[in-house]
Amino acid sequence: EADIYQTPRYLVIGTGKKITLECSQTMGHDKMYWYQQDPGMELHLIHYSYGVNSTEKGDLSSESTVSRIRTEHFPLTLESARPSHTSQYLCASSPPGAKPNYGYTFGSGTRLTVV
Amino acid sequence: AQKITQTQPGMFVQEKEAVTLDCTYDTSDPSYGLFWYKQPSSGEMIFLIYQGSYDQQNATEGRYSLNFQKARKSANLVISASQLGDSAMYFCAMREGQGAQKLVFGQGTRLTINP
Repeated sequence: EADIYQTPRYLVIGTGKKITLECSQTMGHDKMYWYQQDPGMELHLIHYSYGVNSTEKGDLSSESTVSRIRTEHFPLTLESARPSHTSQYLCASSPPGAKPNYGYTFGSGTRLTVV
Repeated sequence: AQKITQTQPGMFVQEKEAVTLDCTYDTSDPSYGLFWYKQPSSGEMIFLIYQGSYDQQNATEGRYSLNFQKARKSANLVISASQLGDSAMYFCAMREGQGAQKLVFGQGTRLTINP
C-alpha cells in the first residue's frame, strides 16, 4: 500500500506540450524530492523541498519547475516538453527530524516519453 | 567527483548462492549514512538496508547484510541464499551529515539470478 502516489504512471506526449507530473504523500513528511532516471542508469536529484514554499534545484540541471503550496503535494512541470526530457521521474519524501537510518519513501515513478 | 561508485554493471548468480554487490564511497564528512535500494523492472525503489558511519556493527536485515569497511570506504551488500525474485537493479546511496537529507546514488548493478 503506497503512501506516496505519482500520476500518471506512463505518459506519451508530443513535443512542445506542457505537462505536470503529480506527486502526493499522505505521511505528513516535510521533505520531498524529485529524481530523474534514464533506463538502467543512476538517479539524479533535480529538485527538492524542505517544506511549504521551499524549493531548491538539485545536483542535475533541469528545465522543469516545481512548487510546494501544500505539504502533501509536490508537482513537477515542464512548460514545453522535448524528446530530451524522455526519462523516468521518481518522487520521494522523508519525515521531519528523521532518524539517521530513515531512508526515503519513493513513489512508483512516471515514465515520460516525448515524441 | 563520483561520490558513490558501483563497479559491477551486471552480475549473474545461480539461485541459492550468496552474492556480494560492491559499493565504495567518498566523503570527508565524519557523519554519513549508507543505503541500499532494490529497483525491480516495474521501477519503484525499495529500501533494503542502512549503515550509519558511527555504527559499530554491520547492519543486517533478513537475507541482506552490509559489509561495512570504514577505512576502505566500502559498503558492500551481501544477499544470502539468492532467489529468483532478487533479480533487479541494486543501488547504493549515501547521505552526508546529520541535517542534510539528500541522497546521492551510485550507477547501480543489475543482478540476474539464474534458476
